[in-house]
Amino acid sequence: KQEVTQIPAALSVPEGENLVLNCSFTDSAIYNLQWFRQDPGKGLTSLLLIQSSQREQTSGRLNASLDKSSGRSTLYIAASQPGDSATYLCAVRTTSGTYKYIFGTGTRLKVLA
Amino acid sequence: NAGVTQTPKFQVLKTGQSMTLQCAQDMNHNSMYWYRQDPGMGLRLIYYSASEGTTDKGEVPNGYNVSRLNKREFSLRLESAAPSQTSVYFCASITASLAAGYTFGSGTRLTVV
Repeated sequence: KQEVTQIPAALSVPEGENLVLNCSFTDSAIYNLQWFRQDPGKGLTSLLLIQSSQREQTSGRLNASLDKSSGRSTLYIAASQPGDSATYLCAVRTTSGTYKYIFGTGTRLKVLA
Repeated sequence: NAGVTQTPKFQVLKTGQSMTLQCAQDMNHNSMYWYRQDPGMGLRLIYYSASEGTTDKGEVPNGYNVSRLNKREFSLRLESAAPSQTSVYFCASITASLAAGYTFGSGTRLTVV
């Protein structure tokens, strides 16, 4: 059974710091991995979608990497800003069943001004 | 382009009452999903519809029913609400492509008293 873990559960950093959020999964048989952002009381916004054949994807100050063989993904945020404060979730799309996504429980990020 | 629309956004029910959460997508997606999100437990799949005319149970289906009314709409019904069903409910949809990622609705915050 696929399990997705995100550590740490919460993180506080000063503004301007570069940071890395971690996501690990137990079964490497995935189609892709998606990173989401969730603001308090809001829905999930897709940030990056990285296919199993890819090593990384970039969007602005965000870079996601994927090492399928080791079951790990990282989300790198450059030059963090207070507006980056949110919960970040990763989800993997399994190759079994109906290819649904399995979610981690998220990392709650606070960027201090 | 509306994407995935969920109604209502907020609802308070008394124990034993019934209600239907509505979800509609205008992206011609094949598959639709209902998740619930609870603190510390991440997103858990309730039911999904891989294609029009099919529905299947997810991880936590007890106390819920679903209807895939047509390709656009996927509703979630609580027949007799219980306090344990207090949660935030999210609908998501995805195309038939295995390379695709989820698009989420903005959620329904349900409180059962």
